Amino acid sequence: EDQVTQSPEALRLQEGESSSLNCSYTVSGLRGLFWYRQDPGKGPEFLFTLYSAGEEKEKERLKATLTKKESFLHITAPKPEDSATYLCAASAGGGNKLTFGTGTQLKVEL
Amino acid sequence: GAVVSQHPSWVICKSGTSVKIECRSLDFQATTMFWYRQFPKQSLMLMATSNEGSKATYEQGVEKDKFLINHASLTLSTLTVTSAHPEDSSFYICSARDASGPTDTQYFGPGTRLTVL
Repeated sequence: EDQVTQSPEALRLQEGESSSLNCSYTVSGLRGLFWYRQDPGKGPEFLFTLYSAGEEKEKERLKATLTKKESFLHITAPKPEDSATYLCAASAGGGNKLTFGTGTQLKVEL
Repeated sequence: GAVVSQHPSWVICKSGTSVKIECRSLDFQATTMFWYRQFPKQSLMLMATSNEGSKATYEQGVEKDKFLINHASLTLSTLTVTSAHPEDSSFYICSARDASGPTDTQYFGPGTRLTVL
């Protein structure tokens, strides 16, 4: 059974304090690894898709990386507006379904 | 690009009534749309996969007669919660896969908060 595990469950950072969120996955035949941001009461907002080990993608203060077993979302010099829940998901095999992790709730304080 | 809308954004209904939620892809065609349910402080739970022009595929434990899904066009899917009860109260989110894109990336709508009294 495909599994995606995220850690930590919650993370509190000071503004400017860089850190990383982890997403470990166990799937058969990874097709893509996805990162989303979700604000309270809203749908997930697409951030990145990674396809193969060694791939990296960046967007503003965020950088996502992928290995054969896990993905990291690095947040550099975060700001309070980066506070949100970050979701990781994997698609595998022949279907289109995503398997989601339970998310990391990030709070960035002044 | 890749914008998905949902309507309504919130709805309150009486127990026993039916509620329809619309999901539209605004700037791309979506052969596949997905319906999720999310409980407070939990991740997304896939309810069903909707393919344009064919019957939806429901996940195990999801009652297909209670959650009716129609995907009549490449830009519209609807979820109807029939004979709603308080336990159906939840946050419902749809997503759409861009048929022209090279990836499995799903783009999500803003969600619909359903409260059944």
